[in-house]
Amino acid sequence: DVKVTQSSRYLVKRTGEKVFLECVQDMDHENMFWYRQDPGLGLRLIYFSYDVKMKEKGDIPEGYSVSREKKERFSLILESASTNQTSMYLCASSPRAAGLDGYTFGSGTRLTVV
Amino acid sequence: GDSVTQMEGPVTLSEEAFLTINCTYTATGYPSLFWYVQYPGEGLQLLLKATKADDKGSNKGFEATYRKETTSFHLEKGSVQVSDSAVYFCALSPDTGGFKTIFGAGTRLFVKA
Repeated sequence: DVKVTQSSRYLVKRTGEKVFLECVQDMDHENMFWYRQDPGLGLRLIYFSYDVKMKEKGDIPEGYSVSREKKERFSLILESASTNQTSMYLCASSPRAAGLDGYTFGSGTRLTVV
Repeated sequence: GDSVTQMEGPVTLSEEAFLTINCTYTATGYPSLFWYVQYPGEGLQLLLKATKADDKGSNKGFEATYRKETTSFHLEKGSVQVSDSAVYFCALSPDTGGFKTIFGAGTRLFVKA
């Protein structure tokens, strides 16, 4: 069964820590995405990548960075975690033609920053 | 710009009731349209899709028809079950070749036994 795997389901970090969220897909997809999901705000795109070592800013990139050194892995980095980054983080991947196949999502990482 | 508008929730139904969740979109050309479902504590799963006008997507008893003339993609199910309780997202992927999918705000469905 093809899947997108996020390394942690729940994570608690302290303010100011550098936080790494990892995402791995086994479908050989070109595109990978990081979203955050907050009540009343829906899904907001943080960053996406359409190829290895390529990245594009989404709608809310401030306070985040990403890394894609290998096709199957897309990491989200919180440079200095803050309490307003407490959220559910969702990773997704798609083939090049996302319009035909849609996205495959991971199970999410619920991050709490204290 | 492109956008998706869903009916606000929550929607509360009794088991075996008929479900409709409205979705309309704004986009140029012929986008692809999707419904995703999110069960509590999980990520989103693709439920069904339609890639051209008049296509009907279907899965697990859910259906939606791509209506170009009304720019709509309403989700329907004839008889809901308690296990259908979840949040449903309508989404579109522009036909301009971009990478991004645009999601609606989501509609929460509660089904009572």
